[in-house]
Amino acid sequence: AQSVTQPDIHITVSEGASLELRCNYSYGATPYLFWYVQSPGQGLQLLLKYFSGDTLVQGIKGFEAEFKRSQSSFNLRKPSVHWSDAAEYFCAVASRGGGGNKLTFGTGTQLKVEL
Amino acid sequence: DVKVTQSSRYLVKRTGEKVFLECVQDMDHENMFWYRQDPGLGLRLIYFSYDVKMKEKGDIPEGYSVSREKKERFSLILESASTNQTSMYLCASSWTGVGYGYTFGSGTRLTVV
Repeated sequence: AQSVTQPDIHITVSEGASLELRCNYSYGATPYLFWYVQSPGQGLQLLLKYFSGDTLVQGIKGFEAEFKRSQSSFNLRKPSVHWSDAAEYFCAVASRGGGGNKLTFGTGTQLKVEL
Repeated sequence: DVKVTQSSRYLVKRTGEKVFLECVQDMDHENMFWYRQDPGLGLRLIYFSYDVKMKEKGDIPEGYSVSREKKERFSLILESASTNQTSMYLCASSWTGVGYGYTFGSGTRLTVV
């Protein structure tokens, strides 16, 4: 069965600093990978996704992520964090086959931004 | 924009009550999902549906049931609410096909007292 690990529960960065959120996945085939963001009291919003091609993918709000098969990782990055980026971030992997398409989520990383 | 609407943002129910959480999407998506979100546990799949009247159990279906009589509506039912079902419930929908992401509703925070 597929699984996702986000090793950092909380991360604090200063506004303007760079950010990297870690995600490791376990999946038997080439994975479909996603990053979502959840602002306080809101549902989840899709930031970006990877399923083939260029291993560096660009998303909304200035985020990018790099797929590294050898490390089973899909880390999320942003060169310069803004205070409005404070939120919870979830990495997810999609499973194939059968009816529908199920996403398995990691436990999330809570990002705090210091001004 | 695709919209997924959950009928209530906050809900307080008593132990033993039958509780209905409603979710409606407006983009003709085939797939719909119910997750619960708890601190430190992330999102856990309760049930999903890939077609009208079709449903499959997710990872934590115990104590829950679902109904999908129309394509746009997916209901989560707590047959007899218990305090350990106090949680944030998130509904999502998507097209069929593993490359599509989900569109989420804003969530319903359910408190069972």
